[in-house]
Amino acid sequence: VLLQESGPGLVKPSETLSLICSVSGGSTTNYYWNWIRQSPGKGLEWIGFVFHTGSTNYNPSLKSRVSMSIDTPKNQLTLELRSVTAADTAVYYCARDSVVKTPLSGLDVWGRGTTVTVSS
Amino acid sequence: QSVLTQPPSVSGAPGQTVTISCTGSDSNIGADFAVHWYQQLPGTAPTLLIFDDNNRPSGVPDRFSVSKSDTSASLAITGLQADDEADYYCQSYDSSLNAVIFGGGTKLTVL
Repeated sequence: VLLQESGPGLVKPSETLSLICSVSGGSTTNYYWNWIRQSPGKGLEWIGFVFHTGSTNYNPSLKSRVSMSIDTPKNQLTLELRSVTAADTAVYYCARDSVVKTPLSGLDVWGRGTTVTVSS
Repeated sequence: QSVLTQPPSVSGAPGQTVTISCTGSDSNIGADFAVHWYQQLPGTAPTLLIFDDNNRPSGVPDRFSVSKSDTSASLAITGLQADDEADYYCQSYDSSLNAVIFGGGTKLTVL
């Protein structure tokens, strides 16, 4: 299974960041799919996860600005982060929980990440 | 400041053993939520190193092991090699925060 994140590399402050994670070599069905970000020179921050049914769980610190969705026929995940600021500048990763139908089971497949810069 | 505390850096010579601690609390590791570990080589995405406390994905050598006690976990790397030089992160879940949490990461330098 391969994951590929894509989206605009530059987003203006106060606008919405939108990213897609394309899944190839496997199905999105029955797995939990996570978004994680890493600010420059910093550690990892969990943004949230989405199940193939569309159910979601978001980091409370970002919950008011985040939306995640999944398109199982297209094998794609989508992340939207609204009202961005410079603090949202980061590498954004999508990653899969390792065990079928089990969240919090360890992220065994990661995309290469996509860099998003928030700047005017 | 991360909910899971890791030392910012550790170092060791080739062949030696190093340990990286991950200290949490009663609402995460102490509540028996699983701890996972990741290795992040420079300029690359993290990879799963240890899952469910002390299980290795296929391909991860048994030089990597984890011990867990009360509210903390420790990653041990034996027979240190040059290509072990990377950042290491622990991950768990916190029931008070209702969130997946990561440690702040530890940079391993092989001398």
